[in-house]
Amino acid sequence: AQSVTQLDSQVPVFEEAPVELRCNYSSSVSVYLFWYVQYPNQGLQLLLKYLSGSTLVKGINGFEAEFNKSQTSFHLRKPSVHISDTAEYFCAVSDPESGGYQKVTFGTGTKLQVIP
Amino acid sequence: KAGVTQTPRYLIKTRGQQVTLSCSPISGHRSVSWYQQTPGQGLQFLFEYFSETQRNKGNFPGRFSGRQFSNSRSEMNVSTLELGDSALYLCASKRSSSYEQYFGPGTRLTVT
Repeated sequence: AQSVTQLDSQVPVFEEAPVELRCNYSSSVSVYLFWYVQYPNQGLQLLLKYLSGSTLVKGINGFEAEFNKSQTSFHLRKPSVHISDTAEYFCAVSDPESGGYQKVTFGTGTKLQVIP
Repeated sequence: KAGVTQTPRYLIKTRGQQVTLSCSPISGHRSVSWYQQTPGQGLQFLFEYFSETQRNKGNFPGRFSGRQFSNSRSEMNVSTLELGDSALYLCASKRSSSYEQYFGPGTRLTVT
């Protein structure tokens, strides 16, 4: 079974500083990987996804993530955060062999707090 | 294009009651999934519906059920509510061949 580990439950960072949110997954097969963001009292919004191809994936709001198969990681990065990036971020993994069936496993989330 | 809508947004129920939540997917999306989000358990997959058929189910008791209509709208029902059912219930839709889900704002259910 797939699992996703987000190593940090909370990450405080000063405004305009860089940030990295860590995500590791366990799977013996190829995977599809996602990062979602959840603002207070809202649903999840897709930030970026890795399905195949380049291991460096760029998403919305200046975020990017790098797929590292050997380390089974998919860490999310942003070079300079803004106050508006304060939210909870979820890493998720899906099995491409499921044929489009929605077998998605989410991590427990990382709360990013941007400090002015 | 309108996003995923969920109604109601907030709900307060008493233990033992039942509740029905509604989800309208993005136009053209035939797959609808439901998730339960709680501080302790995080996001947990409930079930997925496609073309009015449940094709995937998470590890929840039979008190949790759902259905999908011919227009792809979906409802989920929880019977005999327990305090532990208090959660944010999220609905997500997607195209049948895609892995990209679009989430609604959720329904906040409080059981007292």
